[in-house]
Amino acid sequence: NAGVMQNPRHLVRRRGQEARLRCSPMKGHSHVYWYRQLPEEGLKFMVYLQKENIIDESGMPKERFSAEFPKEGPSILRIQQVVRGDSAAYFCASSPVSPIARGRKSYNEQFFGPGTRLTVL
Amino acid sequence: QKEVEQNSGPLSVPEGAIASLNCTYSDRGSQSFFWYRQYSGKSPELIMSIYSNGDKEDGRFTAQLNKASQYVSLLIRDSQPSDSATYLCAVNDGGANNLFFGTGTRLTVIP
Repeated sequence: NAGVMQNPRHLVRRRGQEARLRCSPMKGHSHVYWYRQLPEEGLKFMVYLQKENIIDESGMPKERFSAEFPKEGPSILRIQQVVRGDSAAYFCASSPVSPIARGRKSYNEQFFGPGTRLTVL
Repeated sequence: QKEVEQNSGPLSVPEGAIASLNCTYSDRGSQSFFWYRQYSGKSPELIMSIYSNGDKEDGRFTAQLNKASQYVSLLIRDSQPSDSATYLCAVNDGGANNLFFGTGTRLTVIP
């Protein structure tokens, strides 16, 4: 069952270190989304990528966070110089199609991976 | 600011009853609506999607959409203890690339 894969499942970092989170989309999907879920809060969009392109990064913090989805390999969410407030569950989702232009229906069903739980000490 | 509102609960129903979960959204341009189930410590699992006004049934689940009222609901018939989870409402307006999520309603089905 080739669902969305994420690794590591749990990641512990000390303040100031870097965190790298990886996501492989579901087979046949070429659109990847990253979300963050803080304790007792809802899921918040961070970034949307296609192969070799960042399409929408409107939800990404301006500093320390970056994402990529290279031609080969998984999508990577990178957090530099982590702080305690970065502790959260980071989920990756994938979809087979992109949202269609405004005014038309969007069949943007997104399927989530198991998540990476980041703990910053 | 696009908002998706859900009653956080907890909502408790006895086993075998109908659980009714509600969601309102602020953006009239929204076109796609989804319900996800999230067990504690796990990832969201897509259980229903709905795009047109009216009802959509899938097994014990029925999603209802009323775009005029900006309201979407999920009914779970014959609730089971295994349905106990947090249910997330998500909305996409067709012009954005992401889903906007509510904070979820925690459902407990009492045996």
